[in-house]
Amino acid sequence: DGGITQSPKYLFRKEGQNVTLSCEQNLNHDAMYWYRQDPGQGLRLIYYSQIVNDFQKGDIAEGYSVSREKKESFPLTVTSAQKNPTAFYLCASSINRGVTEAFFGQGTRLTVV
Amino acid sequence: DAKTTQPPSMDCAEGRAANLPCNHSTISGNEYVYWYRQIHSQGPQYIIHGLKNNETNEMASLIITEDRKSSTLILPHATLRDTAVYYCIVLRTASKLTFGTGTRLQVTL
Repeated sequence: DGGITQSPKYLFRKEGQNVTLSCEQNLNHDAMYWYRQDPGQGLRLIYYSQIVNDFQKGDIAEGYSVSREKKESFPLTVTSAQKNPTAFYLCASSINRGVTEAFFGQGTRLTVV
Repeated sequence: DAKTTQPPSMDCAEGRAANLPCNHSTISGNEYVYWYRQIHSQGPQYIIHGLKNNETNEMASLIITEDRKSSTLILPHATLRDTAVYYCIVLRTASKLTFGTGTRLQVTL
């Protein structure tokens, strides 16, 4: 089935460790996004990529890094520089032309202890 | 992209129409109005979008005022499964997708 997959669904890490969240899509979408959501809050944009090998910072990029080496993959690394990494992380993709809808994964809930 | 303003929360009785307002008074001529919803602990789901004309699909109707400064998402017969946070977003083609805080709709028996 076509879609966007995030893995794992739950992730636990010790403080000070870097951790990489996976996001894969087989929708042939050009654009991909990473969002962070804290309890009771809206989605905040971390990074987005509109084409392979290119990405831009969103509103809260500090402490995060991404890569876009393949069209179907947009991994997010939460580094030890991120002060409060515990959150719900959502990945999305969309075509990058015309009027379009974004498709979201089911999210990864990261807990740093 | 234009900013949007939505009420933080609304209630609706099951079976009744839910009318969710959104103000986007600074919208530009080439910006579309999109609606998404997020059921608890899931990824957001696209509902509908429009430019000038009213739109309807199997999920909802979108009413955009003539001056395009506001819109209303209508769920014609709300059910308990429609309880979610609803986001109104205004953006141009191929621009970055950003979310506000949305409206938390609670559908009750």
